[in-house]
Amino acid sequence: GQNIDQPTEMTATEGAIVQINCTYQTSGFNGLFWYQQHAGEAPTFLSYNVLDGLEEKGRFSSFLSRSKGYSYLLLKELQMKDSASYLCAVMDSNYQLIWGAGTKLIIKP
Amino acid sequence: ETGVTQTPRHLVMGMTNKKSLKCEQHLGHNAMYWYKQSAKKPLELMFVYNFKEQTENNSVPSRFSPECPNSSHLFLHLHTLQPEDSALYLCASSQETDGSYEQYFGPGTRLTVT
Repeated sequence: GQNIDQPTEMTATEGAIVQINCTYQTSGFNGLFWYQQHAGEAPTFLSYNVLDGLEEKGRFSSFLSRSKGYSYLLLKELQMKDSASYLCAVMDSNYQLIWGAGTKLIIKP
Repeated sequence: ETGVTQTPRHLVMGMTNKKSLKCEQHLGHNAMYWYKQSAKKPLELMFVYNFKEQTENNSVPSRFSPECPNSSHLFLHLHTLQPEDSALYLCASSQETDGSYEQYFGPGTRLTVT
């Protein structure tokens, strides 16, 4: 079966750095997405990786290793507004998005 | 403003009621999606429409009936639902269904079945 694993919850301190991991087992691979979802709001797109390596976008970076079935989202200089759930999703060979359950990130002052 | 709107935002219905959820996208996208989001569970893809044609139906019970009259509008008709159908129903759109096109989500309809 297809599976996406990510931690259920993480806690970090304002101003610090946090890394949210995602491992996947899917039927084929056509890219990996990260989305941010604040409580009671819609998910919003953060990043897309299809080739191995690191993609940097401001305070957020996303890394992919296809051989290891592994990705991480790195958040730097954490702000209170970064408190949200972070969803990892993989597009399989049928171009369907397979979603993880999300990681709830709690930022403390 | 995400460009995808959903109505109503909240809905409480009995198991014998019939109701409809509406989604509209203002982004000129060709693909639209219905998802179910339950607490602490992954997003569940329900239906996919591409150029108004249904391309995916992920074993969704017949008490959920989608309708896509044009590429900008998507409906989800509900009838004789069960309490376990209570969840957040999200609509999304994307330029195409394949490749690197990210999905844009609406704010969702919080459905409670009593």
